[in-house]
Amino acid sequence: QQQVKQSPQSLIVQKGGISIINCAYENTAFDYFPWYQQFPGKGPALLIAIRPDVSEKKEGRFTISFNKSAKQFSLHIMDSQPGDSATYFCAASQKAGNNRKLIWGLGTSLAVNP
Amino acid sequence: DTGVSQDPRHKITKRGQNVTFRCDPISEHNRLYWYRQTLGQGPEFLTYFQNEAQLEKSRLLSDRFSAERPKGSFSTLEIQRTEQGDSAMYLCASSQSPYRGSQETQYFGPGTRLLVL
Repeated sequence: QQQVKQSPQSLIVQKGGISIINCAYENTAFDYFPWYQQFPGKGPALLIAIRPDVSEKKEGRFTISFNKSAKQFSLHIMDSQPGDSATYFCAASQKAGNNRKLIWGLGTSLAVNP
Repeated sequence: DTGVSQDPRHKITKRGQNVTFRCDPISEHNRLYWYRQTLGQGPEFLTYFQNEAQLEKSRLLSDRFSAERPKGSFSTLEIQRTEQGDSAMYLCASSQSPYRGSQETQYFGPGTRLLVL
């Protein structure tokens, strides 16, 4: 049972376009929602994260939109560049003692065409 | 580079052999996580340490898997009697206990890619 559902599985965008990746969750105890970027052969790197007390967070070209009532959140990449081509993962975690293990989506492979 | 490091980066072994991976976290981080990632999937949680104490283990971590973090610094993950199904990328992440109002961020190493023949 996938606790964090991510879509689409793959995405092709033209340079300068907007990339949008969506995630949905069921566990209302989740209180931290990061997005990670992973290049082939590398470990995931934190891109941007949000907590459910805000509806939007923007850092440079990357924006997270969060809809608490719908239990959905999405990543928007503005002015997408070929260097953004990577796999993107959404994740979620809840406070459970001292353990903040991340529950991950299945990933979205993004290709930005020049 | 003061990030999370993992060794080896790649390991090829024959079924039935034992393998051991090492993770060196960011020096001031007291929390350490191990995840496993198979092709086309997101990472899956395996186990978690706070300092030297192993506080949680996933059901994914069978009896053939053992992890240690002596002295609360580096960590090792050993797989005994490897099986072809163990082939995956093993990721280590470290973090610092958050201050009040802050959020814990996990920083990942490059991973160890294991292939069991």
